[in-house]
Amino acid sequence: GEDVEQSLFLSVREGDSSVINCTYTDSSSTYLYWYKQEPGAGLQLLTYIFSNMDMKQDQRLTVLLNKKDKHLSLRIADTQTGDSAIYFCAETMEYGNKLVFGAGTILRVKS
Amino acid sequence: DVKVTQSSRYLVKRTGEKVFLECVQDMDHENMFWYRQDPGLGLRLIYFSYDVKMKEKGDIPEGYSVSREKKERFSLILESASTNQTSMYLCASSLETARYGYTFGSGTRLTVV
Repeated sequence: GEDVEQSLFLSVREGDSSVINCTYTDSSSTYLYWYKQEPGAGLQLLTYIFSNMDMKQDQRLTVLLNKKDKHLSLRIADTQTGDSAIYFCAETMEYGNKLVFGAGTILRVKS
Repeated sequence: DVKVTQSSRYLVKRTGEKVFLECVQDMDHENMFWYRQDPGLGLRLIYFSYDVKMKEKGDIPEGYSVSREKKERFSLILESASTNQTSMYLCASSLETARYGYTFGSGTRLTVV
């Protein structure tokens, strides 16, 4: 069945780049998402990428998709303390009505 | 701005109580979802609904039920609250196909004592 895996924890220094990785198993995944959850809050959609794209850039965020390896990554440039949060990877199919989420990666930014 | 509103941010209930968690969305979304979130376990789907009066079990429905009498409102019911239901509960909604992702509420932190 569908599965999405992420590493549990990442620690970086303020100003460095962060790279959060995600792998998925379903080759028919068409849409892939990154969500951010700040402490005590709900999830906020950060960015998404369609499977016909390899890369998407949005200000400090860069999403890379390697369809062959079923690997998705989120790069945050110039990481700030406000980027400290849990980051969830998720995927769905073309006409899917549910997202499958990874367990989340805790990003800790040290000043 | 589109919104999913959960009625309570924090709730404390006693073991055995019947608990209602309410979720309302103003986006005319067809799909609504209830998740619980526990440290190290990620998001686990409890129930979801594709339409009014329609419901489907998720991965962990035991001990919960849901109600969707109106399109904009999706309620999660804990029939007899237990301490192992202490958790963060997240409501989300989406269009009929989830391609544009979910919109989440702010969450309800439920403590059962």
